[in-house]
Amino acid sequence: DTAVSQTPKYLVTQMGNDKSIKCEQNLGHDTMYWYKQDSKKFLKIMFSYNNKELIINETVPNRFSPKSPDKAHLNLHINSLELGDSAVYFCASSLGLAGGVNTGELFFGEGSRLTVL
Amino acid sequence: LAKTTQPISMDSYEGQEVNITCSHNNIATNDYITWYQQFPSQGPRFIIQGYKTKVTNEVASLFIPADRKSSTLSLPRVSLSDTAVYYCLVGYYNQGGKLIFGQGTELSVKP
Repeated sequence: DTAVSQTPKYLVTQMGNDKSIKCEQNLGHDTMYWYKQDSKKFLKIMFSYNNKELIINETVPNRFSPKSPDKAHLNLHINSLELGDSAVYFCASSLGLAGGVNTGELFFGEGSRLTVL
Repeated sequence: LAKTTQPISMDSYEGQEVNITCSHNNIATNDYITWYQQFPSQGPRFIIQGYKTKVTNEVASLFIPADRKSSTLSLPRVSLSDTAVYYCLVGYYNQGGKLIFGQGTELSVKP
């Protein structure tokens, strides 16, 4: 069974379109994340949710909107796509903020490669 | 601003020991240090985690000096299948729990 699954794996679209990436984890974790990996392999955190509540919102354009319907799902919706949004987006989960400290053990999905033309 | 730094790339040969060092000068008291491995077209995968001194598991060792401002991932006797990008991740709780990755070290193992 896949622990953290993302769909779609590949997404090719035109500038200006709106698209969504879905993520689900079956690990029973409390915290979920979205990371963006650019062409230089740099992994940058975008958002994190703990028990459906937003706890980290990095400097990300308002065109990016995460949604967590329950603690097993964290979806990412992107409006008005731009060329610079082309990247691989990774969803991840972790046990949670144990005692207020996140020890950093993350479980990643396989990634969703977004190409904006 | 919290920051981790590590070498961009390293080369090695099969059978050698490889040590990759990550610098994290602003590490806080409650922060842990975690290393991940990433193969092409896959998500990063957990290798090892530590807080201080030395941690060893079946695939790697992690050395953390007393001041904790750096850490070294040690891979014993690498093989071709260890060719991957290795990331250092430090839990910077004092920045609201952000988990900041280093830029990754691309390890190339040659025959």
